[in-house]
Amino acid sequence: KAGVTQTPRYLIKTRGQQVTLSCSPISGHRSVSWYQQTPGQGLQFLFEYFSETQRNKGNFPGRFSGRQFSNSRSEMNVSTLELGDSALYLCASSRQGNDAYEQFFGPGTRLTVL
Amino acid sequence: KNQVEQSPQSLIILEGKNCTLQCNYTVSPFSNLRWYKQDTGRGPVSLTIMTFSENTKSNGRYTATLDADTKQSSLHITASQLSDSASYICVVSARLTGANNLFFGTGTRLTVIP
Repeated sequence: KAGVTQTPRYLIKTRGQQVTLSCSPISGHRSVSWYQQTPGQGLQFLFEYFSETQRNKGNFPGRFSGRQFSNSRSEMNVSTLELGDSALYLCASSRQGNDAYEQFFGPGTRLTVL
Repeated sequence: KNQVEQSPQSLIILEGKNCTLQCNYTVSPFSNLRWYKQDTGRGPVSLTIMTFSENTKSNGRYTATLDADTKQSSLHITASQLSDSASYICVVSARLTGANNLFFGTGTRLTVIP
């Protein structure tokens, strides 16, 4: 069974640009969550999608948005990039949700903003 | 305020030795507690998940304990190996609906040296 895949693995952008990251969950998983990980802050929750609907949202500005498609694949978009957006972006999938069911993480996308 | 604190921040041990990592939380109402291992440049991988009624759970050389009364958990690693070098993250899930319900510790960075 294939794991969670994320593309691209590495990305370099400049301030003011926008970026789209992609996540393909494990087959049969309907929940996809996104996280930002930085050395100082650890893992921080961005949002969770379930059956194409955003179910939970963390405390990030509106520049961070996402969506989920009918095949459960998810994309995350960051507009007007800032230097502080440099981080490892992880997505995780689970069968029903991120509470009772185990989450499986992808390898992450390393975003560098110059 | 829902928080998860881990200690120590970093730890260096000799190969073959045992070690114990700590996780204290104030998350309420409690649902479950998870320990993840994250190798450098990779996504976290689940080690154990424990609910309120579980005191101990093992996964090979990893043994997690949970004291729901004192809101403390520990992860004990037996006979450490070089491959145990990683960050270990404690995650506590709260029984909250319609809101972010996962709270992450900032992790313990473990280095095993020969």
